[in-house]
Amino acid sequence: KAGVTQTPRYLIKTRGQQVTLSCSPISGHRSVSWYQQTPGQGLQFLFEYFSETQRNKGNFPGRFSGRQFSNSRSEMNVSTLELGDSALYLCASSSGTSYGYTFGSGTRLTVV
Amino acid sequence: GIQVEQSPPDLILQEGANSTLRCNFSDSVNNLQWFHQNPWGQLINLFYIPSGTKQNGRLSATTVATERYSLLYISSSQTTDSGVYFCAVVEGADGLTFGKGTHLIIQP
Repeated sequence: KAGVTQTPRYLIKTRGQQVTLSCSPISGHRSVSWYQQTPGQGLQFLFEYFSETQRNKGNFPGRFSGRQFSNSRSEMNVSTLELGDSALYLCASSSGTSYGYTFGSGTRLTVV
Repeated sequence: GIQVEQSPPDLILQEGANSTLRCNFSDSVNNLQWFHQNPWGQLINLFYIPSGTKQNGRLSATTVATERYSLLYISSSQTTDSGVYFCAVVEGADGLTFGKGTHLIIQP
């Protein structure tokens, strides 16, 4: 059974650019959530999608957005990148909030 | 929002020792998980344990939901157990809220 797949693994972008990260969940899982990990703030919830609908969103600016497709794959986009957006971005899939979450390997974004 | 506190923040042990990691949470939850973050950053799911006790080899976990805490036990530690251990909970329909983690170092 394939796990959660995140692409790309590493990215280097310049301030002001935008970036799109991709996450393919475990087959059959309809919930995909995104998290940002930084040394200063730890692991923080960005947003969660279920059946193509954003169910809830963490405390992040509007530059952070996402979407989910009919096959449950999800993308997150960060526009007008800032140095502080440098982080490990992790995606998790689940059958629902009352079930376990399985994480992908993450995308390490560096903004220069 | 819900608060998650983990203790201790750092733990250094000799190989073969046993350890107990604690997670306190401030409100009722419908999901609690323990994760181990490997050196490459991936979060490895150890236990999904909103209540009760589970065991998997040298690892076991207990959650007492009514008292709002969970414990992760590691017995006969090995150097490969080193890393950061996170407790994470879900309150209502929100995503996972993580504690700050316990950084465990197992010395040979």
